[in-house]
Amino acid sequence: KAGVTQTPRYLIKTRGQQVTLSCSPISGHRSVSWYQQTPGQGLQFLFEYFSETQRNKGNFPGRFSGRQFSNSRSEMNVSTLELGDSALYLCASSSAQPGTEAFFGQGTRLTVV
Amino acid sequence: GENVEQHPSTLSVQEGDSAVIKCTYSDSASNYFPWYKQELGKRPQLIIDIRSNVGEKKDQRIAVTLNKTAKHFSLHITETQPEDSAVYFCAATHTGTASKLTFGTGTRLQVTL
Repeated sequence: KAGVTQTPRYLIKTRGQQVTLSCSPISGHRSVSWYQQTPGQGLQFLFEYFSETQRNKGNFPGRFSGRQFSNSRSEMNVSTLELGDSALYLCASSSAQPGTEAFFGQGTRLTVV
Repeated sequence: GENVEQHPSTLSVQEGDSAVIKCTYSDSASNYFPWYKQELGKRPQLIIDIRSNVGEKKDQRIAVTLNKTAKHFSLHITETQPEDSAVYFCAATHTGTASKLTFGTGTRLQVTL
């Protein structure tokens, strides 16, 4: 069974640009969540999509957005990039059952210069 | 919202000793508590989890205990080995928002020979 796949693995962007990250969940998983990981703030929840609908949202500005497609693949977009957006962005997929394991992808390392 | 505190931030033990990491949570509605291990440069991986209807769970050298009254849960690793060296994260959620994990700030465990 293939794991969670995130692309690209690394990105370097300039302040003010926008970026789109992609996440393909484990086959059969309909929930995809996104997290931002930084040394100072740890792992912080961005949002979760389930069956193409945003089901939960964390405390991030509107520059962070996402979507999910009918095949459960998800994208995350960050507009007007700031230096502080430099982080490892992780997505996690899980089944529809509450309280089940979330499987993480390897992440996309975003550097904003 | 939920808040999870984790201690200690760093922990150094000798091979063969035990290691204990403690977390407290704030939302009494939380009922699912996973622990993740993240090795350097790798994705977080679930090592054990516990649900609120259980007080303790063991899996070989790893155990987790939960005290719902005090709202704290702990990870216990016995007979530590060098390959246990990693960052460990506790998390909490409730089944209504099961995919929205609130993480602790992490514990860097170093197992020395």
